[in-house]
Amino acid sequence: DTGVSQNPRHKITKRGQNVTFRCDPISEHNRLYWYRQTLGQGPEFLTYFQNEAQLEKSRLLSDRFSAERPKGSFSTLEIQRTEQGDSAMYLCASSLDGTGNVQPQHFGDGTRLSIL
Amino acid sequence: GDSVTQMEGPVTLSEEAFLTINCTYTATGYPSLFWYVQYPGEGLQLLLKATKADDKGSNKGFEATYRKETTSFHLEKGSVQVSDSAVYFCALSPYNTNAGKSTFGDGTTLTVKP
Repeated sequence: DTGVSQNPRHKITKRGQNVTFRCDPISEHNRLYWYRQTLGQGPEFLTYFQNEAQLEKSRLLSDRFSAERPKGSFSTLEIQRTEQGDSAMYLCASSLDGTGNVQPQHFGDGTRLSIL
Repeated sequence: GDSVTQMEGPVTLSEEAFLTINCTYTATGYPSLFWYVQYPGEGLQLLLKATKADDKGSNKGFEATYRKETTSFHLEKGSVQVSDSAVYFCALSPYNTNAGKSTFGDGTTLTVKP
């Protein structure tokens, strides 16, 4: 179990640029989640995948945000035309499919995005 | 919608003191409840969980009991150590396991002084 891996750890970019983050989940986990966390707040749900299917998206996920998990393994989160308000820590988590028993999520260390 | 409310921090305790961090929730049905911990510079880690009413989750000396009548899941530890200094997050996952998201509280920062 190598844990959930996120890259990059930090991203600094100018307002208006596009950014892409990558998440590699624990290999046997078929569920993958993206959250956003700002200072002093808990993680806010953005979206989640079961295998390659994106099953739920938060209203927080505007049309500038897109997430993919093309082969049901790693996932990418892209933000287009970044804005100051996008500055946050972006967290990825993975879990098994509980099939009736909720499974805990395993989190990566996050990607910190700073918009200049 | 679902929500989680944690006691505001920061909380500062002396080593070996008793710890309680309050957590209450609002959710439909019977959610599963979790406590996660985030040590400085690290990602969130599951600390303990409870999946039904009256269940007690425990780990590393921490305990929390799922109280449906008071919709609470308070975290307790009898004797804290300096190494317990971290941010603690209470969270819930909905009863319907096909609904993937977890809802988190805003976290409580604990500092334990020697």
